[in-house]
Amino acid sequence: DAGITQSPRHKVTETGTPVTLRCHQTENHRYMYWYRQDPGHGLRLIHYSYGVKDTDKGEVSDGYSVSRSKTEDFLLTLESATSSQTSVYFCAIRPTGNYNEQFFGPGTRLTVL
Amino acid sequence: RKEVEQDPGPFNVPEGATVAFNCTYSNSASQSFFWYRQDCRKEPKLLMSVYSSGNEDGRFTAQLNRASQYISLLIRDSKLSDSATYLCVVNSAGNQFYFGTGTSLTVIP
Repeated sequence: DAGITQSPRHKVTETGTPVTLRCHQTENHRYMYWYRQDPGHGLRLIHYSYGVKDTDKGEVSDGYSVSRSKTEDFLLTLESATSSQTSVYFCAIRPTGNYNEQFFGPGTRLTVL
Repeated sequence: RKEVEQDPGPFNVPEGATVAFNCTYSNSASQSFFWYRQDCRKEPKLLMSVYSSGNEDGRFTAQLNRASQYISLLIRDSKLSDSATYLCVVNSAGNQFYFGTGTSLTVIP
């Protein structure tokens, strides 16, 4: 158990509203990632962080922002949710000392109506 | 072109069968390779890393062919509990991992 939790686990929201998803880890790992998973696309990287206040974009970052003000929390914000952002969102950490591996949180299922 | 490509399947095999999955990657500079397993509506979990010399973990064997940019996973003596989606994952020595779309396996009694 890599000590990763995500909240909320399920959310239904309306188009145009802002949404924030939270990823929390308990083991002070430096690297954290946000992915989305959609049928036919697999997991795609949205943003990642390599330390407090250090973040970078992934391949599908448009419409998303992130923040990491402390090691344990990595927040993903949909600034104005659209139906195309309906997806399953997974957070992952890359363990310190074993950069070849990723451990995933349980996922957040987001529906934008 | 996608970074990682997999045959989505589905593969439906009887218990005890041997099944093989393949994956190709586009970046010749890729350095780390993995197979992850994902059960329905769950998070992906690392099944095994893939090394240049090939590696085995019980009934599972992974192979890497750098010249062809090709990764494989062989499952011998399939069990019902092997039913899942298998994801091919590649890291190009940077901070990003690239995932295939996954290959679905159902083992039938």
